[in-house]
Amino acid sequence: EPEVTQTPSHQVTQMGQEVILRCVPISNHLYFYWYRQILGQKVEFLVSFYNNEISEKSEIFDDQFSVERPDGSNFTLKIRSTKLEDSAMYFCASPPRVGSDTEAFFGQGTRLTVV
Amino acid sequence: KQEVTQIPAALSVPEGENLVLNCSFTDSAIYNLQWFRQDPGKGLTSLLLIQSSQREQTSGRLNASLDKSSGRSTLYIAASQPGDSATYLCAVGSNDYKLSFGAGTTVTVRA
Repeated sequence: EPEVTQTPSHQVTQMGQEVILRCVPISNHLYFYWYRQILGQKVEFLVSFYNNEISEKSEIFDDQFSVERPDGSNFTLKIRSTKLEDSAMYFCASPPRVGSDTEAFFGQGTRLTVV
Repeated sequence: KQEVTQIPAALSVPEGENLVLNCSFTDSAIYNLQWFRQDPGKGLTSLLLIQSSQREQTSGRLNASLDKSSGRSTLYIAASQPGDSATYLCAVGSNDYKLSFGAGTTVTVRA
């Protein structure tokens, strides 16, 4: 089965530092999503990305967050100045296309710990 | 805003028993519904996808039903095994292609 790959698997950072989470989507997929899951809580939508631009973002996705596809393959989520409450698992997802018959494939996640 | 609820939050059964996991959602205008499995500290593994026009989907010991009008889906796992122990998440897809997740049901299958 095709895989979405995320790196690093775990990152510890000090409050106020910038972090970049990386995702390698499945080849030829065009739609990309970031979700996060705070420990013990639901998985929450952050942002969707298509054709090199944000198509939708949630209220969580404020000015400290940004996404880009710097080299046409990797898909990154940057948090400019991390806060303690940013500690969570961050998941990248990519479906092969959009459609009601389309499964979303998720990466294994990056556990971000802000200290 | 779509709200997804999963009941029960946790379930413990002896090996061999059938599992029934429930998911309810508030907005019946869904695009699809997906069931995931999550092992502790791990990612999300897709189990089944039901399109909004479908009533059920089956894969091996798994069967998921969908009743859009009542806002419910049920995941059945037949003849449970200890390896089925995990958290099962229900996620509802909207026509803007994002998923709204439930909090999950944590299943323990006792050997």
